[in-house]
Amino acid sequence: DAGVTQSPTHLIKTRGQQVTLRCSPKSGHDTVSWYQQALGQGPQFIFQYYEEEERQRGNFPDRFSGHQFPNYSSELNVNALLLGDSALYLCASSPTGDYGYTFGSGTRLTVV
Amino acid sequence: SQQGEEDPQALSIQEGENATMNCSYKTSINNLQWYRQNSGRGLVHLILIRSNEREKHSGRLRVTLDTSKKSSSLLITASRAADTASYFCATHTSGLSSGSARQLTFGSGTQLTVLP
Repeated sequence: DAGVTQSPTHLIKTRGQQVTLRCSPKSGHDTVSWYQQALGQGPQFIFQYYEEEERQRGNFPDRFSGHQFPNYSSELNVNALLLGDSALYLCASSPTGDYGYTFGSGTRLTVV
Repeated sequence: SQQGEEDPQALSIQEGENATMNCSYKTSINNLQWYRQNSGRGLVHLILIRSNEREKHSGRLRVTLDTSKKSSSLLITASRAADTASYFCATHTSGLSSGSARQLTFGSGTQLTVLP
């Protein structure tokens, strides 16, 4: 049974460009959350999707947007990239209820 | 913003010794979870303790939760070199929306090094 799959694993973009990151949740999980992790820091919550809707959002600007599809997979879009957006982006899935999250291996985004 | 704060920031021990990491948080929680991360890759869920529980065990892991002090501790017994990783506590809180909206908020982690 595959866990959470993220693509791509690495990405280099130029400041001002746009990027789309993709996530396939673990089978049986209906909730997808996205996190940004800067080097040496803990993951910061970006937003969470459930039933194709954004249910909760962290302290991130509107340049960060997302989508969840009927098959529960999700995308994270970042517009007008800044150098400070360089980070590891993690996707996590979970079933409804009080359960631990399953994380993907992340996408390493470098903005130059 | 960080909800939980781990202490110490870094811990170095010999193989076979026990490792204890502490976590403090600020607001009411549904549960508290501990995760491990190797070399900046994905996080692995270790254990979850609910707000009405005080202690939980899983293999070599022991977690305690004191909601009155808003703190938790993770004990790894008989440590191994393979336990070398960053360890994060994460608090699980209900969102403002109804239903299943919830948020998992991480601390900044403890870097554990187990020397062979």
